[in-house]
Order: sequence, then C-alpha cells, then structure tokens
Amino acid sequence: DTEVTQTPKHLVMGMTNKKSLKCEQHMGHRAMYWYKQKAKKPPELMFVYSYEKLSINESVPSRFSPECPNSSLLNLHLHALQPEDSALYLCASSQAGTGVYEQYFGPGTRLTVT
Amino acid sequence: KNEVEQSPQNLTAQEGEFITINCSYSVGISALHWLQQHPGGGIVSLFMLSSGKKKHGRLIATINIQEKHSSLHITASHPRDSAVYICAVIPNTGNQFYFGTGTSLTVIP
Repeated sequence: DTEVTQTPKHLVMGMTNKKSLKCEQHMGHRAMYWYKQKAKKPPELMFVYSYEKLSINESVPSRFSPECPNSSLLNLHLHALQPEDSALYLCASSQAGTGVYEQYFGPGTRLTVT
Repeated sequence: KNEVEQSPQNLTAQEGEFITINCSYSVGISALHWLQQHPGGGIVSLFMLSSGKKKHGRLIATINIQEKHSSLHITASHPRDSAVYICAVIPNTGNQFYFGTGTSLTVIP
C-alpha cells in the first residue's frame, strides 16, 4: 500500500467555523508533512512531524493547529481562518531519520474560506 | 532569489513529440525529485535522483551534480502527460524540499 489518503476532498468553511483536515498512511512512514499550495504556485511547507513529534513549524499562524495522534494519522485543525487561507492542502509522508527519502503525497483537500 | 529554477514555465507540444524540461539549482543537494501534478491536485513522485540517469517507461531523468542541473525527458508524448512538472531538491543542510515553480505541459492530440 503506497497510498496517502486525505479527507475531505473539498471543504467550504466560514471564517468563524472550526474544521479539521485528515491524512492517513499505512506505509509505516514515521515522517508526515502538511503543505499549502496556492493556484499556480509550488507547495509551501507548513509542518513536519517526525516520530509523532512536531519537528518543523514554518512560522504558520496559530489558526492552523496540527496534530499527530499516532504514526498513521495526521490532522490539521482549522479555526478562524481568513479568505486568503483558501488553497489546496497537501499531506505527504516519508521514512524518517537522517537519510534522504522519497515523499508520498496525498490527493489534497481543496479549502475555500468564505 | 529562488534556489530552484525551471524552464520553460509553459510548454505546448504535439502528441508524439520529445519533450525536455530543465531544472537548475543553486545549493548543494542530497537528492532531486521530479514530481507530476495533474489538474485537481494530487502530486505523484516520478523520480528521486542523486546522480546519473533513471528511466521509467517513457520518462527519463538525468542529473549533473557538478553543473547543478537536471532534465526530465518525455518520449512519444501523449495528451495524458499534460500536467505540471515540478522539480524539487533536498539540500545538504536539511531534509525539506526546495520547490521549483513548475512547468505546465499541454500535449495536443
């Protein structure tokens, strides 16, 4: 199984809503990533979890709150978002450690903030 | 300044043509990835390279570490190859991607 799944595929939320994005993999990967991608731009790294611990936070606003409840799951909790947060949110996973490893991407959640 | 530059930004080809997409980078790297993103979002990793050349089906990727340059070639292009192709490098100093801005390829039947 080389698949990373993400739910939901699409999400529309108001600026006062609280919602969560979910990501799951069963490849035994211990590194998981959240990226944000605006139209016609490359992905931007938001967070990295390594062995279920947050290892990188790329100065992401606190209205985005990541969570890694176990080695297969990665959540991104959203609260009080702004319209400019509308984007494609991509999850990826890879082996962890000091080597160089391929990242496997999920299909993304397309988020619209109204 | 972007550490990873791709060319061309946009490319239109007739079905069957040989296609080359170029990637130049300015940092020392551990590896370089070629990624494919179809409309609708999902990213697929095509190749991970740290030296030489790799081939998978109609796709060939090469890298010249001394010149800090990589190319992705598509032989006998097909409309289903239409996608954005992204070059991403992992620098020696970390394990995160530096992404290129992507090349949007359209193959016309």
